[in-house]
This record gives sequence, C-alpha cells and structure tokens, in this order.
Amino acid sequence: DTGVSQNPRHKITKRGQNVTFRCDPISEHNRLYWYRQTLGQGPEFLTYFQNEAQLEKSRLLSDRFSAERPKGSFSTLEIQRTEQGDSAMYLCASSSGLLQRVYGYTFGSGTRLTVV
Amino acid sequence: DAKTTQPTSMDCAEGRAANLPCNHSTISGNEYVYWYRQIHSQGPQYIIHGLKNNETNEMASLIITEDRKSSTLILPHATLRDTAVYYCIVRSANFGNEKLTFGTGTRLTIIP
Repeated sequence: DTGVSQNPRHKITKRGQNVTFRCDPISEHNRLYWYRQTLGQGPEFLTYFQNEAQLEKSRLLSDRFSAERPKGSFSTLEIQRTEQGDSAMYLCASSSGLLQRVYGYTFGSGTRLTVV
Repeated sequence: DAKTTQPTSMDCAEGRAANLPCNHSTISGNEYVYWYRQIHSQGPQYIIHGLKNNETNEMASLIITEDRKSSTLILPHATLRDTAVYYCIVRSANFGNEKLTFGTGTRLTIIP
C-alpha cells in the first residue's frame, strides 16, 4: 500500500494523559501536513513540514501540542495533558512539491481521538 | 485565501449528473479552485483543480465562469459511492502557501 498511513486509527484516553499519533507519508513526498477535524466541520490546518523542517504552525497548535518529523520521513503529533476539547479526528496528508499541482494532497484515514 | 460559499446539502439520482456549485466572489488572479471530497470515516480525497480554464479528469469536470467568481463541479454519472461531503477550496499559488482552508462543504447524497 503506497498511501498515507496513520496509527492508531482510534484512541480513547483519560483527560490529562498524553497521547502520540504517528503518520507515515508516501515515501517520495517531501511535504507533510497535520489537520484536525471536529464533528460537522471541515478539516483545520495545524502544521506543515518540508522534509524535517516545520515551516508553519497554526495558532490552533497550543503549547500542549508538538509535532516532529525526524529525518524527513514519518511524523509524530503529541498532545500533552489532553482535554475534552481535544477530541477530534487528526488527519495527516503528504504531497510532493512538484506533483502537488497535478495530484493535490494525499490524506490518510485519520486517528480519531476521544478524551473521556 | 478567498472564502467560498457552498450549499449545505444536495441530492442526486443515481446515474444522473451531479452539479455542485461554489461561489468564490473574492477570488484573486493567482488563486486556484480546488475540489476535495470526504467519504464517511475517511480522509479527504483530491478530485480536481483549475485556474481559469475548464478542466476534466477521470473523476469529474470543473467549470469555472469567465469572471472566476463561481465554479461548478460535475460528476457525470453519479453512483452510490459518490455520496460524500464535497469541499470547494480556493488557494493562492504563492510559494510557501501550503495550507488548504476547508469550509463545511456540501453533503451530496446519491439516491438509488
């Protein structure tokens, strides 16, 4: 499978716990994006990497959130001290700068986080 | 990036053409129109995009008005698998502008 892979698909955690999600992009894609989607809304941009460099962060990404992309391959998104308002679908996408204009972004199926 | 306006929901009979409108009256000259769709419990899927000219690919056609203030996505022969939320997005071609700004989209239901 050459698509964008996200793990886990579902995560239930207690308020105050830390959680980490992983995204494996399409191997030849140098750009990687994280989005968050709450029920009934469209996805909202969180952050973007070009290779290992984090080039843009949304103001939605509070100091409890951190994203990394070591070596420019897979990426992790960590949420510390989770709150009920963090419950959402977390989507990862990747693209090639050159092919983006033709094929757009490729999204994964997301990780659904429920904070109880 | 310019904002877009789409109907909240639409129905279309299976086998007929589905025409999804989008208004983007504040679009500027270097902004592209993108369409994505999201089937339940999946991530968004790229459909098509265009700047000025009409575009067609294996999934759909995109018709952009001459003044570029609106566009229509056409699914020529809708099937039940086309039931999804369809997002119209406008994004500039400026270097470094990477993010997509999604609205709430149009929920398209294909009726057997």
